[in-house]
Amino acid sequence: EAAVTQSPRSKVAVTGGKVTLSCHQTNNHDYMYWYRQDTGHGLRLIHYSYVADSTEKGDIPDGYKASRPSQENFSLILELASLSQTAVYFCASSDTRGGSEQYFGPGTRLTVL
Amino acid sequence: QQQVRQSPQSLTVWEGETAILNCSYEDSTFNYFPWYQQFPGEGPALLISIRSVSDKKEDGRFTIFFNKREKKLSLHITDSQPGDSATYFCAASVGSGTYQRFGTGTKLQVVP
Repeated sequence: EAAVTQSPRSKVAVTGGKVTLSCHQTNNHDYMYWYRQDTGHGLRLIHYSYVADSTEKGDIPDGYKASRPSQENFSLILELASLSQTAVYFCASSDTRGGSEQYFGPGTRLTVL
Repeated sequence: QQQVRQSPQSLTVWEGETAILNCSYEDSTFNYFPWYQQFPGEGPALLISIRSVSDKKEDGRFTIFFNKREKKLSLHITDSQPGDSATYFCAASVGSGTYQRFGTGTKLQVVP
């Protein structure tokens, strides 16, 4: 069974602080993704990666960095958290490019105060 | 710009009725269309998908109808059950491309 886990599951951060969200997959998938979910916007892609030590920008990368130190792990980093980054963040993995199922983690609810 | 659009934003049906969720897209190169189901507090999970070579895909009570010429799809849920109450996302991608683009979702409520 495909498995994607995220930590923490929820976090409260202060404006201007640094936040790191972590994702771990045991699917042996090459592709990993970070999305944010906001009411009225659906899922929007922030960053993605198709190989360790390499990341690519998605549709809304501003204010976010990503890190893929290994095939299994993918982190999302907010260097200077802002109020507008309050959202639910999902990590996903897939074994091929866009034309295949993505497996999502349970999400991290981030509140920036 | 929203490349994948969904309607309605929310939908309420009675148990046993057929729910119809709509999706449209702009990029004519999209050829893979998955639908994901999301329950509150969980991540989305693949429900059913279709490739552009087909005009219909059925899986139990769930059917996708695809109109390539009009760039539209619809998800039909027959004999709707309260357990189907969830948010449904339509997504689209180029099969050889790198990532999928998601619509804004339809929140379905099935009333007993």
